[in-house]
Amino acid sequence: SQQGEEDPQALSIQEGENATMNCSYKTSINNLQWYRQNSGRGLVHLILIRSNEREKHSGRLRVTLDTSKKSSSLLITASRAADTASYFCATSHSGNTPLVFGKGTRLSVIA
Amino acid sequence: DAGVIQSPRHEVTEMGQEVTLRCKPISGHNSLFWYRQTMMRGLELLIYFNNNVPIDDSGMPEDRFSAKMPNASFSTLKIQPSEPRDSAVYFCASSRTEVNTGELFFGEGSRLTVL
Repeated sequence: SQQGEEDPQALSIQEGENATMNCSYKTSINNLQWYRQNSGRGLVHLILIRSNEREKHSGRLRVTLDTSKKSSSLLITASRAADTASYFCATSHSGNTPLVFGKGTRLSVIA
Repeated sequence: DAGVIQSPRHEVTEMGQEVTLRCKPISGHNSLFWYRQTMMRGLELLIYFNNNVPIDDSGMPEDRFSAKMPNASFSTLKIQPSEPRDSAVYFCASSRTEVNTGELFFGEGSRLTVL
């Protein structure tokens, strides 16, 4: 399976702390994307990192990609209660194949 | 701009009944995807269309499932007959390009419960 795997499955932190979520995948990628899903809602795109990029920032989000280890991490700095959600990585593999999603990390930020 | 619009948001039906889920993608988007989300299996791709043409339906569980895209602004996912194991949240997503590597825009989902 090409499905990415997020780690940890669940994460609980205090407001103001940083949250780090990891994603591992098995086959080479074109790009890797992170999505967020609030309870009962659809997924929302956060950030896309291409296979030739190593790091990308967007506001309080920082994504890294290590293609040699086939892994990515999503860092949310200075977390807020509103960051409570599930976070998914999705990988785009070679050829014209659609995104494959992992099972997500459930993040709880406690005020 | 309106996002991806799905209906109904919630559907409760009895086993054996026909279920039709509807999706209106974002105007101008060329690709449309149907996903199913369950706790056990996560987010699974069922089928996707490029320019209204079905490209890959290998994720459709069985013949009880069918999907159509009669035009660029409308798609349906039909389950007939429905079974309790079909209970899940069904998401429609669209993308700007035919190359399936870009950002996906998701609808809010249709939560299906089959009793």
